[in-house]
This record gives sequence, structure tokens and C-alpha cells, in this order.
Amino acid sequence: RKEVEQDPGPFNVPEGATVAFNCTYSNSASQSFFWYRQDCRKEPKLLMSVYSSGNEDGRFTAQLNRASQYISLLIRDSKLSDSATYLCVVKRGFKTIFGAGTRLFVKA
Amino acid sequence: DGGITQSPKYLFRKEGQNVTLSCEQNLNHDAMYWYRQDPGQGLRLIYYSQIVNDFQKGDIAEGYSVSREKKESFPLTVTSAQKNPTAFYLCASRNRPDRENQPQHFGDGTRLSIL
Repeated sequence: RKEVEQDPGPFNVPEGATVAFNCTYSNSASQSFFWYRQDCRKEPKLLMSVYSSGNEDGRFTAQLNRASQYISLLIRDSKLSDSATYLCVVKRGFKTIFGAGTRLFVKA
Repeated sequence: DGGITQSPKYLFRKEGQNVTLSCEQNLNHDAMYWYRQDPGQGLRLIYYSQIVNDFQKGDIAEGYSVSREKKESFPLTVTSAQKNPTAFYLCASRNRPDRENQPQHFGDGTRLSIL
């Protein structure tokens, strides 16, 4: 079993839709959590950190549930430019573990 | 502008050849990392270094070697022992790896292919 698991998708949604991605992690000692965005054939870029209190950045909302070892990302009012792969990332000590990513396609 | 520079962007390797991928950062970050990404797959850690003159094997270090003689530089050599080197190689760095909530930042990658 992978330490960080994501639904690979793809998620195909129309513009303006709300879409949610989930991620689970298996090691309860994990300390920090992030969502990265990766465009096709490009490097991953930090989208946002994830906190237990939940955090929002414009149309993006991230949530962490430590008890369930579960992280989520919600995208509201999807844009064509949101089409990408979203990576769930967990940090534990000096180690960073990347999920395999969830692919999102937003269609006009 | 501060950032991470990887070169070359594309690299071709002949059978039996060693090739070196460059990674330079001017962010004054302590830790540097090398990952490999295969199509449709997540990132897998090859090597990492938390301080100068020290580095550790990651999950898939076989067939690779690194050095960290300077804080800003962390070159990766893909040796002839790596039988399946075709992949997208990503270098990353992080400030204060001991601190929580310090994300990694990535260079724009090197695509390596076998001739």
C-alpha cells in the first residue's frame, strides 16, 4: 500500500463546476501537508499548504482531517486553466512523499 | 530572481554512457533533492542532501550518484548501471528541512532519453 494515495481520475468537469479531490496518508507521524499542481510536461508547483483549521486561497479550499488521515482540495467555479494534475504531498521529518496525482480536465 | 535552474532541458544518452544533470539554486536553501518521474506516475526520490558534503540515498538510488560540494549545487550522474534511465528528472530544494510547513520548490526539469 502506498503511503499517500489519491484517486488518479481523470475528473472531467464543465467550466464553472465545483470539484473535490481526496487524498489519504497512512503514517500518523506525518507533520505537514501540501497540494501541488503539475501541468503536462512541467515541474510541480506549490498550490497551497494544508492546515487542520482549513485554509482558502481564492477558489481553492484545502482541508486536513488528522483523525481520519485525510486531505482534501476543493476547487470552485472551475476554469479551463485549472486543467492539470494535482499532487497531494505529505512531509514527515526530513522525508517528503508525493502522491501519484489526480488529473483534472475542465471543458468549455 | 531567486530560483532553481536545471540543465540541460533535454538530454540523450548512449548505451554505456554516464551523463550528468545539473541543478543550481540561488535561494540559499539547505536541502536539495533529486526525483524521477515516469509517465503517469508520481515522483520517486533518488537522492537528497540536507547540508553540504552530505547526501543520502532515496528510494531508487541504484544506478545514480550525486555530490554536494557547494550549497548551491547538487549534480546528478546517471550511470551506465541505470538500465532504464528514460524519465523526467526533477531537482528540488527546501529551506530549513527541519521546520514544518516548509515546502519544496522545483526546477523545471530535465528529460532524459536513450538513443
